[in-house]
Amino acid sequence: EAGVTQFPSHSVIEKGQTVTLRCDPISGHDNLYWYRRVMGKEIKFLLHFVKESKQDESGMPNNRFLAERTGGTYSTLKVQPAELEDSGVYFCASSQVSGFYNEQFFGPGTRLTVL
Amino acid sequence: DAKTTQPPSMDCAEGRAANLPCNHSTISGNEYVYWYRQIHSQGPQYIIHGLKNNETNEMASLIITEDRKSSTLILPHATLRDTAVYYCIVTIYGGSQGNLIFGKGTKLSVKP
Repeated sequence: EAGVTQFPSHSVIEKGQTVTLRCDPISGHDNLYWYRRVMGKEIKFLLHFVKESKQDESGMPNNRFLAERTGGTYSTLKVQPAELEDSGVYFCASSQVSGFYNEQFFGPGTRLTVL
Repeated sequence: DAKTTQPPSMDCAEGRAANLPCNHSTISGNEYVYWYRQIHSQGPQYIIHGLKNNETNEMASLIITEDRKSSTLILPHATLRDTAVYYCIVTIYGGSQGNLIFGKGTKLSVKP
């Protein structure tokens, strides 16, 4: 069974440009989460989808970040325009909605560098 | 903020047991203790979780004190591949609940 996949693995862009990160969750997982770790900081929650609906987006830093999950399958996280402080590693995770525990399966992350 | 306190780093000899402590003195009755780890350049990986009883799986054992204010993750025979940052996380039970709150974790170094 394929795990959570993320694309691209690395992205280097200039300040002011737009970047779109993609996450493909494990098939059948209704819950999809985005997290990020910026330089020197802890891993922080960004938002949580249940199917195509945003269950919790309290961690989104500002309106430059837009997450979507059309059809309840894969998700994209767009940063527009990117700022220097957006640099970091963005992780996606998924879990089963009917699961009896909060085991989230994480992808390998996308390393974003904003110059 | 994380609801847990962990030592920033620990060393362990290969083949020996690694015992990683965690304090969670403000844990509430409906919160579980989860452990994840992050091996360098990979995404976090689930290890084990528990409520109040001790738990064991193929990766580790979890010992929770009777008052639930602290716990210990035990890797019975640590290998070099267990070198990672280990996170103790307190969170509400349930697959539809939301986010994990990661603290700074404990950086475990397994040495030959």
